[in-house]
Amino acid sequence: EVVLTQSPATLSLSPGERVTLSCRASQSVSSYLVWYEQKPGQAPRLLIHDASNRAAGIPARFSGSGSGTDFTLTINSLEPEDSAVYYCQQRLHWPLTFGGGTKVEI
Amino acid sequence: EVQLLESGGDLVQPGGSLRLSCAASGFTFSSHTMSWVRQTPEKGLEWVSSITGPGTDTYYSDSVKGRFAISRDNSMNTLYLQMNSLRAEDTAMYYCARGSSGTNGLLDVWGQGTMVPVSS
Repeated sequence: EVVLTQSPATLSLSPGERVTLSCRASQSVSSYLVWYEQKPGQAPRLLIHDASNRAAGIPARFSGSGSGTDFTLTINSLEPEDSAVYYCQQRLHWPLTFGGGTKVEI
Repeated sequence: EVQLLESGGDLVQPGGSLRLSCAASGFTFSSHTMSWVRQTPEKGLEWVSSITGPGTDTYYSDSVKGRFAISRDNSMNTLYLQMNSLRAEDTAMYYCARGSSGTNGLLDVWGQGTMVPVSS
């Protein structure tokens, strides 16, 4: 199965800063990489699909890039409500697999 | 409004059985592949099972194959997960998730989850 490794595990930042999260796949997933946001006590929420496409209603400060095995999620101008755990997921190969998450603290 | 509402989570003993349900509303249920994903603090998010819109094809992770069965009732807009021979390592929050139409493996709507503790 495809192993997704996310780094760093935790980040502490201030409002207004820019952050870049990494997701690395153990084999190519082409552009079939998805990002989710999960806040405490809530279900994951779809942010970005197919590496760089924002889901409906997601603010423009969220952007994704990458292909093959290396992907990034960038959040520009962090807001307090961006405190969450961010997960990547690949949808090219079965079984679907998720990364271990990056916790962003604002 | 698109909604998924899981139910059925309960404390169960090892070796026991449980059936989870997920009631869907706000979209054409039969047009979407549906999935179960579970989450633990230790292992994070883990895909468990998926079923196509008509219910003709099912998929399972190796960790649950032969013990869990996914099914759906499109007339009732409800997804199920029958869990048998439960183990301590099945303890998790179980989410149902909708597959985005025409996009394999993209989970675009999630329910709030139902907790399944497996313990004696």
